[in-house]
Amino acid sequence: DAGVTQSPTHLIKTRGQQVTLRCSPKSGHDTVSWYQQALGQGPQFIFQYYEEEERQRGNFPDRFSGHQFPNYSSELNVNALLLGDSALYLCASSTGTGIIEQYFGPGTRLTVT
Amino acid sequence: AQKVTQAQTEISVVEKEDVTLDCVYETRDTTYYLFWYKQPPSGELVFLIRRNSFDEQNEISGRYSWNFQKSTSSFNFTITASQVVDSAVYFCALSEWGAQKLVFGQGTRLTINP
Repeated sequence: DAGVTQSPTHLIKTRGQQVTLRCSPKSGHDTVSWYQQALGQGPQFIFQYYEEEERQRGNFPDRFSGHQFPNYSSELNVNALLLGDSALYLCASSTGTGIIEQYFGPGTRLTVT
Repeated sequence: AQKVTQAQTEISVVEKEDVTLDCVYETRDTTYYLFWYKQPPSGELVFLIRRNSFDEQNEISGRYSWNFQKSTSSFNFTITASQVVDSAVYFCALSEWGAQKLVFGQGTRLTINP
């Protein structure tokens, strides 16, 4: 039973560029949430996708956008990268209407130079 | 507003000592969930436990135990007879009913020295 997978593992980008991160949920899960974890901090909720729609959003600017595909996988897009976007981006999957248990992937480490 | 506070930034103990990680939360909801996650150096958050606000019974799982006290809004985590493999960053998190998101504390870095 595959868990949550994310790609790529590491990424280095330059300020102003755009980046796309990918996530495949755990088998049987249909909900994907994205979190940003800056160094030394706890994860911060970016948004959640369910039934291919953004269901809830945290306090992040519109530069952060996402998408969910019919197979429940998801992408996180960040435009006009800033140095402060450097962080570990975590994807979590769960089922249906609750967040009772979210299973996290290994994350994508994004470095913006 | 929801908030989780883990006042201990770093803890270092010698193997076999008992250690308690503190977690204090704030919420206006009467129905909510509390969680503990472990984050080893690999980065992946590993789920440890979930508690709902109506269940204040303490829980024990092997060397791990959790003490939930609504009166003090605390959900503390104790590791008994710590081992080097317990070294990690531990996060406490809160979710209000139907909120669809987790609110995490700042984390406590636990180092178990041999």
